[in-house]
Amino acid sequence: NAGVTQTPKFQVLKTGQSMTLQCAQDMNHEYMSWYRQDPGMGLRLIHYSVGAGITDQGEVPNGYNVSRSTTEDFPLRLLSAAPSQTSVYFCASSYSAGGHNEQFFGPGTRLTVL
Amino acid sequence: GQNIDQPTEMTATEGAIVQINCTYQTSGFNGLFWYQQHAGEAPTFLSYNVLDGLEEKGRFSSFLSRSKGYSYLLLKELQMKDSASYLCAVRDEVARQAGTALIFGKGTTLSVSS
Repeated sequence: NAGVTQTPKFQVLKTGQSMTLQCAQDMNHEYMSWYRQDPGMGLRLIHYSVGAGITDQGEVPNGYNVSRSTTEDFPLRLLSAAPSQTSVYFCASSYSAGGHNEQFFGPGTRLTVL
Repeated sequence: GQNIDQPTEMTATEGAIVQINCTYQTSGFNGLFWYQQHAGEAPTFLSYNVLDGLEEKGRFSSFLSRSKGYSYLLLKELQMKDSASYLCAVRDEVARQAGTALIFGKGTTLSVSS
């Protein structure tokens, strides 16, 4: 099992550009989520999905879109990049959102917006 | 609302014991996780507590008191490789029903010196 994979590992964008961060898992997990991690702020939830075809907003969704057409993939789209979106982005998955179901994290994407 | 507090930084020496505290306030507590995150890497699961008491896993133990909204992670026989951030994360049933699987604290950075 590869677990949770993310691409790219590093990305530099100019203000106003758009891009998609890829996330895939091979553990047949229903629950997937995107976090951003900023110094002194901890992990903050951007969007999540409880299954294919179902997505919803987390704590900091503005400027981001997601879709979940398959169980395995959960891409995050930046619509028009801003310097405030400079961060480390983690994708995570778990069997479900409840119980003793730990979240497995991908290796992260380090994004810089100039 | 939800709130999770952890010390920002701690230092310790090799071979020592260190206790990292976490206090939380949630609407509907339903479990507490501890994650370890080395610099530049993804968080990895350490422990899970849902009932009061101590859970031991090798050199690491985690304690929970639901009535006090308090947990600690105990690391024994510290090694240099234990230098990392330790994240306390709470499962809140009210938040989970809204799709948020975990609410993370800002993390405690532990530095272990020889």
